[in-house]
Amino acid sequence: TQLLEQSPQFLSIQEGENLTVYCNSSSVFSSLQWYRQEPGEGPVLLVTVVTGGEVKKLKRLTFQFGDARKDSSLHITAAQPGDTGLYLCAGRGSSNTGKLIFGQGTTLQVKP
Amino acid sequence: SAVISQKPSRDICQRGTSLTIQCQVDSQVTMMFWYRQQPGQSLTLIATANQGSEATYESGFVIDKFPISRPNLTFSTLTVSNMSPEDSSIYLCSGRQGFSYNEQFFGPGTRLTVL
Repeated sequence: TQLLEQSPQFLSIQEGENLTVYCNSSSVFSSLQWYRQEPGEGPVLLVTVVTGGEVKKLKRLTFQFGDARKDSSLHITAAQPGDTGLYLCAGRGSSNTGKLIFGQGTTLQVKP
Repeated sequence: SAVISQKPSRDICQRGTSLTIQCQVDSQVTMMFWYRQQPGQSLTLIATANQGSEATYESGFVIDKFPISRPNLTFSTLTVSNMSPEDSSIYLCSGRQGFSYNEQFFGPGTRLTVL
């Protein structure tokens, strides 16, 4: 069974600080996705990383896929209160059945 | 990407009753899924809804408790049967067009409270 360990589970920081969320597994994933979810809504896709070592940037968010495609990180620079939410990483195995395996989630609170 | 709507958005139900949740996608999708989520926590896959055939359930979930239908490529229902307070949760419908790296998108969820 493929598992994704996401850390930290909770993060409360001040506006302007930087933070990193980690997703780790002992399994290889064909791709990994990061989602952000706000209360009362479904998760919204932020990015998909596919290639080992790949780095993608989305404004102040930087996503990295590990060289071995077993881990990923999300780094937020100069966090803002609008970044508050639940961040979820989700990996897709090599099978084309295509089930997403979700990490435990990171609840981020950015205080003004 | 496609837009998913769910009905109802929330409900409060009595123990022992059943609730059917509807999921409508505004375009055809290859795959549809049903998830359960406790507020602030991660998603647990209940089953993959297969068009015209029985859903594929994950370990810990059974058809008698969570019957699923998917009559076409844009619609699915999930029924939570014989509910107990432990079934109180958010139920999310999800869809994906194609396989592999394609985006998987989610409905807004149905918040269920069982008294």
